[in-house]
Amino acid sequence: SQTIHQWPATLVQPVGSPLSLECTVEGTSNPNLYWYRQAAGRGLQLLFYSVGIGQISSEVPQNLSASRPQDRQFILSSKKLLLSDSGFYLCAWSPNGGGDTQYFGPGTRLTVL
Amino acid sequence: RKEVEQDPGPFNVPEGATVAFNCTYSNSASQSFFWYRQDCRKEPKLLMSVYSSGNEDGRFTAQLNRASQYISLLIRDSKLSDSATYLCVVRTYGNKLVFGAGTILRVKS
Repeated sequence: SQTIHQWPATLVQPVGSPLSLECTVEGTSNPNLYWYRQAAGRGLQLLFYSVGIGQISSEVPQNLSASRPQDRQFILSSKKLLLSDSGFYLCAWSPNGGGDTQYFGPGTRLTVL
Repeated sequence: RKEVEQDPGPFNVPEGATVAFNCTYSNSASQSFFWYRQDCRKEPKLLMSVYSSGNEDGRFTAQLNRASQYISLLIRDSKLSDSATYLCVVRTYGNKLVFGAGTILRVKS
């Protein structure tokens, strides 16, 4: 069966510091991968999605970036965090060409102070 | 106008009650529809897909009205464990999903 991992689970970072969040998927090949952010009391906002290694599409202009160095690894980064980057970051995967249901990882709760 | 709109609630209901949530979407070309459940401070989990003919999974029934661009979720015989936020989700194009902000359900004993 497929599993999706994210780490760290929680993170507290000062404004202006860098960020790296990691997501890995097991038990499937060539998945579509997604990064979402959920601000307190709000809906999920799609940040990036990837259909393959090195292929990244950005949905929202911001100071975040994403990379997919391996088939089942998706990384979210920032060079300098802003207060507004605080939120719940969720990675998700879906089968490539095999359906549109997305499955979420446990998330990283980021607080920027 | 938001692409997917839901009543935020909260809906406070006693155990055993029947409760219904509604959701509207703005893009008439939307192709797939889902309900996800999100517990407090946890990730969303797929509850059920929504099919044009309507579908049922135990105590949960989902309906889709394409003409009115409206999706519903009915929960019968509510349990304490049903307390959560219910997210209406729509796929408009490609593999990208649009999430509603969610409806909060609180089931009380």
